[in-house]
Amino acid sequence: KQEVTQIPAALSVPEGENLVLNCSFTDSAIYNLQWFRQDPGKGLTSLLLIQSSQREQTSGRLNASLDKSSGRSTLYIAASQPGDSATYLCAVTNYGGSQGNLIFGKGTKLSVKP
Amino acid sequence: DGGITQSPKYLFRKEGQNVTLSCEQNLNHDAMYWYRQDPGQGLRLIYYSQIVNDFQKGDIAEGYSVSREKKESFPLTVTSAQKNPTAFYLCASSMAQLYGYTFGSGTRLTVV
Repeated sequence: KQEVTQIPAALSVPEGENLVLNCSFTDSAIYNLQWFRQDPGKGLTSLLLIQSSQREQTSGRLNASLDKSSGRSTLYIAASQPGDSATYLCAVTNYGGSQGNLIFGKGTKLSVKP
Repeated sequence: DGGITQSPKYLFRKEGQNVTLSCEQNLNHDAMYWYRQDPGQGLRLIYYSQIVNDFQKGDIAEGYSVSREKKESFPLTVTSAQKNPTAFYLCASSMAQLYGYTFGSGTRLTVV
C-alpha cells in the first residue's frame, strides 16, 4: 500500500531564506506527483505537477524535483516571503488501484517570519 | 473563470440529521472526487466518480452517499450513520491522470 511521508511536519524560517521541503513515497509505480499549497481554512491550490517520466518542474520561485527510483521528491522555494506561509502537501497518483486516486502526505506547515 | 464551486462554506448538522454538500465544476472534467480532511490525518478519499451515473467507494465511504446525474455535479450526503462527521470536506476534479487535480475551496461541517 502506497504511503507518502513529508518531513519536516513544521518549519519556521526568516524571510529571504531558500528552503527545501521533502516528500517520500514507498511505491515507485507512480503516474505523477503533485505539490499543493493550503492556506488555513481554504482549499488546495496546485503548485506543480511532475509526470513520472520527468525529473523536475519549475514555476517562478518554486522548483520541484522527482527521483522515482528512490521514492523522493523535493520542493525548493527560493527567497522565501511571509506570503509563502502555508501548509504544503505532496500527493502521488498510483498506477492501478482506485483509478486516479491521489494519496497524500500529511503536509509541512511553513512559517516565514518577516 | 473555470473552477470548482463548493457550497456552503460552513454547515452545521444536528444529531440524526442528513446533510448534503454541493460540488459543481465547469472545467468539463470527467472525474470527480470527495475527500475528508481531519487535523493530523491528512486527506482521505470518500467517493469518486469517473463518469456520469457511476461512482466508486473510497477508503472511508461508510456513512456517506453520492450521486452523479450530471457531469458538472457531484453532491455528497453525510448521513446519520456517519458517527463523526465533523471535518473539512474537499471536492476535486480531473480530466485525466495526466493533468493532475483541481480542488474546490471546501466545506467545513460541524455537528451541533
